[in-house]
Amino acid sequence: GAGVSQSPSNKVTEKGKDVELRCDPISGHTALYWYRQSLGQGLEFLIYFQGNSAPDKSGLPSDRFSAERTGGSVSTLTIQRTQQEDSAVYLCASRASPYNEQFFGPGTRLTVL
Amino acid sequence: QKEVEQDPGPLSVPEGAIVSLNCTYSNSAFQYFMWYRQYSRKGPELLMYTYSSGNKEDGRFTAQVDKSSKYISLFIRDSQPSDSATYLCAMGGEWGGSNYKLTFGKGTLLTVNP
Repeated sequence: GAGVSQSPSNKVTEKGKDVELRCDPISGHTALYWYRQSLGQGLEFLIYFQGNSAPDKSGLPSDRFSAERTGGSVSTLTIQRTQQEDSAVYLCASRASPYNEQFFGPGTRLTVL
Repeated sequence: QKEVEQDPGPLSVPEGAIVSLNCTYSNSAFQYFMWYRQYSRKGPELLMYTYSSGNKEDGRFTAQVDKSSKYISLFIRDSQPSDSATYLCAMGGEWGGSNYKLTFGKGTLLTVNP
């Protein structure tokens, strides 16, 4: 079956611009995660969605970051007024309840010039 | 002390070698443990998932968990050049905490030379 997909695969933007990153989870997976992976920093948790529950936003690094999940499926991560330190790979993962295994997409490589 | 410690390497071995990758952790509340493989410019791919102390084998891969020592390992037998990747350990399922979150090690970069 289809895995997690993310778009775009690469995004180059100028400092100060807004960007939107998209994630399509595996069909039927109710849980969705966003992570950020920077060189030498490992995977950093950003936000978690589970069904209709309020998301866990505890990992968002600043109020320039936001995410939504429409219809319990597709999710969009938005970064406003991008800064150079936002350059990283943004990974999305989904999980089927009640299981623990998370399945990752290929990521979006964001470069802020 | 970081919650999960993983030697970043790089680790370089000849083809056919046995590879041992390790992580230590400080939070005794972790209940389950995973190993992911990440090829360059790709997303992490789940390799192994274990829930209890002991060994779990899948083909050339063996995952080992020692909860009393807070130590997990991944062994790769008869390593192949196609095993060259970054290996990430991850753990989660904290009792009384955010049991849906995974905490990751920083990854070990492995190169298997033909």
